[in-house]
Amino acid sequence: DAGITQSPRHKVTETGTPVTLRCHQTENHRYMYWYRQDPGHGLRLIHYSYGVKDTDKGEVSDGYSVSRSKTEDFLLTLESATSSQTSVYFCAIGARETQYFGPGTRLLVL
Amino acid sequence: SQKIEQNSEALNIQEGKTATLTCNYTNYSPAYLQWYRQDPGRGPVFLLLIRENEKEKRKERLKVTFDTTLKQSLFHITASQPADSATYLCALGVAGGTSYGKLTFGQGTILTVHP
Repeated sequence: DAGITQSPRHKVTETGTPVTLRCHQTENHRYMYWYRQDPGHGLRLIHYSYGVKDTDKGEVSDGYSVSRSKTEDFLLTLESATSSQTSVYFCAIGARETQYFGPGTRLLVL
Repeated sequence: SQKIEQNSEALNIQEGKTATLTCNYTNYSPAYLQWYRQDPGRGPVFLLLIRENEKEKRKERLKVTFDTTLKQSLFHITASQPADSATYLCALGVAGGTSYGKLTFGQGTILTVHP
C-alpha cells in the first residue's frame, strides 16, 4: 500500500446521494485505475487514467465518473448512489505493466 | 466474449506440499499475464509477471508457466506454508496504446494451507 492512499476507508450512504472516493499517490505514476470487487465477480475495472485529464471507461463504468486534474489524485464519483454499488473499491497505480493497489474503500449504500 | 477462469474457487493442501493453481482464458491474446496475492481486507499485491514469449518464470518458492497455445497459466507454490494461505488472482494484460497496463482479472482462488 506504500505510496497510495484511499479516502474514506469506510462509508455508509443512502440511495440517491452523490459519493466521491479519492485516490492519492506519491509515486508520480502516469497510470491510475479504479476497480470494484464483489463476491463472485472478482476485480472489475471501472475507469482508468493514462495522464492528467486523460481517462477512459472500463468494464463496469455505468453510474460512475472520474476526474484527474493532477497527477497524484484520481477521483471516483457515484453521481447518485444505488444499492448495487455497494462494494469494495480499490485504486491502483501502474508502473509499466505492474499495478500497485491501495488499501480499499468499503462502501455501503442503504 | 473474453473470459478468464481460475480452476477452482478454493484449494486446500497440507503444509509442505506443492500448490498448483490454474488460470485459463478464451477469446484473448494477452501480451503478458500476472499473478497477485490478496489477503483479507487488503488490496492485491503483485507477485510475478510472465510475457507471451516466455514459458516459465521463478521467484523463490513460486513458479509460473504460460502456454499461449493452451491459453493457460499454472502457478505453483512449492513447500507451501500456512502463511501462504490467501486468495490468488491471475490477470491478463495487453500492450500498446492507451490500454497499456490495463488488466483483466480472474475471480481468484482461495488457497488454504493446513499445518
